[in-house]
Amino acid sequence: GAGVSQTPSNKVTEKGKYVELRCDPISGHTALYWYRQSLGQGPEFLIYFQGTGAADDSGLPNDRFFAVRPEGSVSTLKIQRTERGDSAVYLCASSLTGAGGNTGELFFGEGSRLTVL
Amino acid sequence: GENVEQHPSTLSVQEGDSAVIKCTYSDSASNYFPWYKQELGKRPQLIIDIRSNVGEKKDQRIAVTLNKTAKHFSLHITETQPEDSAVYFCAASGAGRRALTFGSGTRLQVQP
Repeated sequence: GAGVSQTPSNKVTEKGKYVELRCDPISGHTALYWYRQSLGQGPEFLIYFQGTGAADDSGLPNDRFFAVRPEGSVSTLKIQRTERGDSAVYLCASSLTGAGGNTGELFFGEGSRLTVL
Repeated sequence: GENVEQHPSTLSVQEGDSAVIKCTYSDSASNYFPWYKQELGKRPQLIIDIRSNVGEKKDQRIAVTLNKTAKHFSLHITETQPEDSAVYFCAASGAGRRALTFGSGTRLQVQP
């Protein structure tokens, strides 16, 4: 597709359940980012991939959060034992080279809205 | 790590007036400063960016200024229009760290 695609667009789950959120970046973009956005706040950095490897995972809040990008394209954000405080919009973005690089613009997806009851 | 502060949190202007949003950053190594616009329920989209080797950049009605010494940068929108109404986020990234740190956002309302 032409843009960053995220699925599901909405996910409602119960406290304690496991969820997976998927991101399909723009073809050819080597950098992929996951952000979390709560109502009225700016996007909060979670993790950044360059190719298949996590170049920076310093934003992951705890070990319940994990992300993979096994083939350097699609990425999955995994949240174990969900808590009500995990409720937010999870944004994925991709970039040709990474923020700050010569072609560093981040292109965001529409987000996955996670609600933990 | 990097910390980005943004103000004001809300800004209301009359159509045709100018709007200014200001951000400060903490990491003196940061060298890339983009601004994103997010309409209600939509994805953030880049509107303008500036790198640390320039002090000002302009694109039609939008301009961004950077003061590296003071570690602050600002977004200026002139001749505002109702379609400029949105939430605007500043961000920063540093050398060697290709992840953006975002400010908390400014909700701009342009009154017709």
